[in-house]
Amino acid sequence: DAKTTQPPSMDCAEGRAANLPCNHSTISGNEYVYWYRQIHSQGPQYIIHGLKNNETNEMASLIITEDRKSSTLILPHATLRDTAVYYCIVVTGTASKLTFGTGTRLQVTL
Amino acid sequence: SQTIHQWPATLVQPVGSPLSLECTVEGTSNPNLYWYRQAAGRGLQLLFYSVGIGQISSEVPQNLSASRPQDRQFILSSKKLLLSDSGFYLCAWSVQLPSDTQYFGPGTRLTVL
Repeated sequence: DAKTTQPPSMDCAEGRAANLPCNHSTISGNEYVYWYRQIHSQGPQYIIHGLKNNETNEMASLIITEDRKSSTLILPHATLRDTAVYYCIVVTGTASKLTFGTGTRLQVTL
Repeated sequence: SQTIHQWPATLVQPVGSPLSLECTVEGTSNPNLYWYRQAAGRGLQLLFYSVGIGQISSEVPQNLSASRPQDRQFILSSKKLLLSDSGFYLCAWSVQLPSDTQYFGPGTRLTVL
């Protein structure tokens, strides 16, 4: 699976949009981009995933560049409960092994 | 809707003692099941995965074993725990359609003393 690069930490004011970048320049054509987050001492929570097109669900939006070498997770109105470590990963195939790196620690502040 | 349960939530065990962690999934049939371990301050490591009853694949050689006695039950075991077995153990499930997204349980925090 392709490797991803994320900034180690980011801050965001409550109510503002949080934009979390991810670089995956070696992604191959059949690999999906997945985002998870992990709140301290809890299991990872699935947020969103995509292949080529931008995606939106009730939690977030995922913007994937045309060359698919990078993506951005957008939390449109961050709240204190969004404080967590966010992981961007690329996966392929079924029963895939998820390899989480160090992720981005997002701190949402008042 | 689907839910995943893990127990116990926390466990403190002496070195050399046995281990049994249980994971069950509700609301879906024939899921893929996974056991991961997350050591303190480190990423996730896939330990085992299963695509069906009695079908277990091991990702890394270790002191642990896994079994799937029922469709929605996944058990992680050890005969003799080592200090290095300490960590946060996570069970996850997925179904191939519509996507193979993995959903995680709440985890079991194991401390081996």
